[in-house]
Amino acid sequence: SAVISQKPSRDICQRGTSLTIQCQVDSQVTMMFWYRQQPGQSLTLIATANQGSEATYESGFVIDKFPISRPNLTFSTLTVSNMSPEDSSIYLCSVNDRGRYNEQFFGPGTRLTVL
Amino acid sequence: AQSVAQPEDQVNVAEGNPLTVKCTYSVSGNPYLFWYVQYPNRGLQFLLKYITGDNLVKGSYGFEAEFNKSQTSFHLKKPSALVSDSALYFCAVRGAAGGYQKVTFGTGTKLQVIP
Repeated sequence: SAVISQKPSRDICQRGTSLTIQCQVDSQVTMMFWYRQQPGQSLTLIATANQGSEATYESGFVIDKFPISRPNLTFSTLTVSNMSPEDSSIYLCSVNDRGRYNEQFFGPGTRLTVL
Repeated sequence: AQSVAQPEDQVNVAEGNPLTVKCTYSVSGNPYLFWYVQYPNRGLQFLLKYITGDNLVKGSYGFEAEFNKSQTSFHLKKPSALVSDSALYFCAVRGAAGGYQKVTFGTGTKLQVIP
């Protein structure tokens, strides 16, 4: 299974600022995903990031608010822009099990609090 | 559209007793089904999956789940609960068609094992 790390693990930010979250995988993966988990709620897919192409955003999420980079097969970043308290969530990076498209594996998450 | 229902927000069980966490799903065609566990301040950990074959699937930490196609259910079970099993459990589904299929997560069930 893939080992995924995220930076930062948590942060407290001021309204109107931006935060970039990094996701590093220990193996090459085609598909990476970014999820949001708001307090007491389930996971919501923000976007799918494939290397070499634009990220695909789910309904309700836009590139201006959540720009994503995917420069290679082991790394991705998610930026939360112009933050408001409603953006306070856990942000999770995830990858498909390489070669089988079955299981997804998750990073430890980034706990974001916006004041 | 596919969906997952976890009807119980919380399940309480005494240590040593059997536990069941319920999940029902809706998807076009055959399903791939998953259970994940989330411990406090941690990312999601994969527990087990049903892809095809035997309806009873065994996973990590002594957990198992039974796929019931007629009832469209995939309940998570364990014969004897441990206090350390206390966590948030998510059921997830995706379609079994070829290529990448989006995974949909349930709302989660908090399991509390009482010493």
